[in-house]
Amino acid sequence: EPEVTQTPSHQVTQMGQEVILRCVPISNHLYFYWYRQILGQKVEFLVSFYNNEISEKSEIFDDQFSVERPDGSNFTLKIRSTKLEDSAMYFCASKRRDSARGGELFFGEGSRLTVL
Amino acid sequence: SQQGEEDPQALSIQEGENATMNCSYKTSINNLQWYRQNSGRGLVHLILIRSNEREKHSGRLRVTLDTSKKSSSLLITASRAADTASYFCATVVRVGNEKLTFGTGTRLTIIP
Repeated sequence: EPEVTQTPSHQVTQMGQEVILRCVPISNHLYFYWYRQILGQKVEFLVSFYNNEISEKSEIFDDQFSVERPDGSNFTLKIRSTKLEDSAMYFCASKRRDSARGGELFFGEGSRLTVL
Repeated sequence: SQQGEEDPQALSIQEGENATMNCSYKTSINNLQWYRQNSGRGLVHLILIRSNEREKHSGRLRVTLDTSKKSSSLLITASRAADTASYFCATVVRVGNEKLTFGTGTRLTIIP
């Protein structure tokens, strides 16, 4: 069964460093998302991406964050200068195109980011 | 204010019993979805119920939606040890973009 894959599974970085988290969504999906979950807390929406542009972003998604779909298969989240509070599990998700009536999101297993 | 809040926060039951989790939300929605998360893993979609639906079934799962009370419940019947996980409701206000707003989750433990 097709699945969303994410790399790396765990990354440890120093505060102020740049981090890129990578995702390969399911191939025929057209909507892409990043969510994050701080340990023990709720899952929070970061950004949605459709038709090669951001369609919506949350307050969390400030200028330090960016997303790209560089080659038609990968979907990346970049954090330009990491802060301690960016430590979290980051989930990529994708959705099929036939979702005019609403549909499920398919999530990856997550990338755990630890900022020291 | 939080869009989705689950109740209870934690639930422990014996294998074979039924588990009921509740979710409340604050704004009008297009649909509500339930997801499951095993510890440290990704989220898995369980079931979606639209705002014009009142009840939906999928295998051992039964979901209800009461838009007048802005609440939903997830019932898992004949629970199994493998059902041990966290369960989240997530609301969608506007279709197409499908931004999910997650609740706080219920941690379900099934005791063998």
